[in-house]
Amino acid sequence: DTGVSQDPRHKITKRGQNVTFRCDPISEHNRLYWYRQTLGQGPEFLTYFQNEAQLEKSRLLSDRFSAERPKGSFSTLEIQRTEQGDSAMYLCASSHRDRGNTEAFFGQGTRLTVV
Amino acid sequence: GENVEQHPSTLSVQEGDSAVIKCTYSDSASNYFPWYKQELGKRPQLIIDIRSNVGEKKDQRIAVTLNKTAKHFSLHITETQPEDSAVYFCAASPSGGNTGKLIFGQGTTLQVKP
Repeated sequence: DTGVSQDPRHKITKRGQNVTFRCDPISEHNRLYWYRQTLGQGPEFLTYFQNEAQLEKSRLLSDRFSAERPKGSFSTLEIQRTEQGDSAMYLCASSHRDRGNTEAFFGQGTRLTVV
Repeated sequence: GENVEQHPSTLSVQEGDSAVIKCTYSDSASNYFPWYKQELGKRPQLIIDIRSNVGEKKDQRIAVTLNKTAKHFSLHITETQPEDSAVYFCAASPSGGNTGKLIFGQGTTLQVKP
C-alpha cells in the first residue's frame, strides 16, 4: 500500500460513547496530521506529530480528544463521551519533514456520525 | 490569527471557459500555498502548489499566482472540462511553514456544464 489508509471508513455511535480511529501514514513519512472536515467546509487542523512527538494541538481539540502515535508509525485519534457536534469527517494526512514543505497526502477519512 | 478566505463559494462555467478562484491569507509568514481538489466522497488531492519565492506556476491547464504584498493567491483553470467539476480548496502553511500544518479556505464548488 503506497497511500495513507484510515480505519474505519464509517462509524456510527451513540452520544456518550467513546470512539477510536486509526491512521496508517505513508511508510517513510515522519509527519502525521489530523484534520476534521464538516459538510461544506475545508479541513480544520486538529493536531500533528513529528515521529512519535505530538508537537501542536489546535484549540479545537477539547480534552475529550486525544491522539497518539506511539512508535512514530500509525496514529490513533480517540474521542471520549461523543457529542452530536463531533459528527464530521476525520482526515489524516502525512508528509516528510526532511523534504521541506512537500505535499501532504490525505487518507480517505473516517466519517463519524453521532446519533 | 491564522485565517484563509476563499471566494467564490460556488462557480458555474461552460465547458471550455476559464475558472478563477481567489484566496487571501492573514499570516504574512506563510510561505507555502497548495491547492487541493476533492471529488464527492473522495480524499483531497493536491493539484498544484506554489512557494513564496515564486510569483506564478503553471501545470498544463492549471496555474497559480501569488501576490505576497497583498497576501492573495489565485487558481486559474483554462479550457475547463466536465471532469474538472469538484470542490477546490486553497491552503496556506502559516508561521514559516516549519510544521507543515495547513490552514484551508472554505472551498469552492466548481461546476463545468457540458
